[in-house]
Amino acid sequence: GAGVSQSPSNKVTEKGKDVELRCDPISGHTALYWYRQSLGQGLEFLIYFQGNSAPDKSGLPSDRFSAERTGGSVSTLTIQRTQQEDSAVYLCASSFGGYQPQHFGDGTRLSIL
Amino acid sequence: GQQVMQIPQYQHVQEGEDFTTYCNSSTTLSNIQWYKQRPGGHPVFLIQLVKSGEVKKQKRLTFQFGEAKKNSSLHITATQTTDVGTYFCAGPSVSYNTDKLIFGTGTRLQVFP
Repeated sequence: GAGVSQSPSNKVTEKGKDVELRCDPISGHTALYWYRQSLGQGLEFLIYFQGNSAPDKSGLPSDRFSAERTGGSVSTLTIQRTQQEDSAVYLCASSFGGYQPQHFGDGTRLSIL
Repeated sequence: GQQVMQIPQYQHVQEGEDFTTYCNSSTTLSNIQWYKQRPGGHPVFLIQLVKSGEVKKQKRLTFQFGEAKKNSSLHITATQTTDVGTYFCAGPSVSYNTDKLIFGTGTRLQVFP
């Protein structure tokens, strides 16, 4: 079956622009995570959606970052007024539940000029 | 807050040598998961341990969950160049209001032929 799909795979944009990153989880997975990974670094948790529960937004670094998940499936991560420090790989993962093994997408490499 | 630390941060070994990474949690965990991320790739789930003192093997990889369920280790026997990558452990959050996974800081393994 299809895995977690993320788009675009690469995004280059100018500082100050808004960007939207998309994640299509594995069908049937109720949990969806967004992570940020800078070069050579670990996984920085951003936000977690689980079913119809209120999302855990505790990892969002600033109010420029927001995410939504429509219909319990596709999710978009929006970064407003991008800054150079936002440059990183943004990874999405999904699972059958909070503690269940996560399946990651290939990520979106975001570069802010 | 809850922390999951891994040591060492980096390890360089000669092909054929053994390698061990250690995962230490600030809280007791109901289970521990291990992931491998190849250079340029995304994390891939390897295994989950649930029982105190549990030991599981996958070919040359041996995973152990501590008796107190606060630490875990991954041991690779006779490393190969295909073992190159970053190894992450992950455990469930103990916070009352979320059931997300908390990823460890990761150990990057480099294997020289």
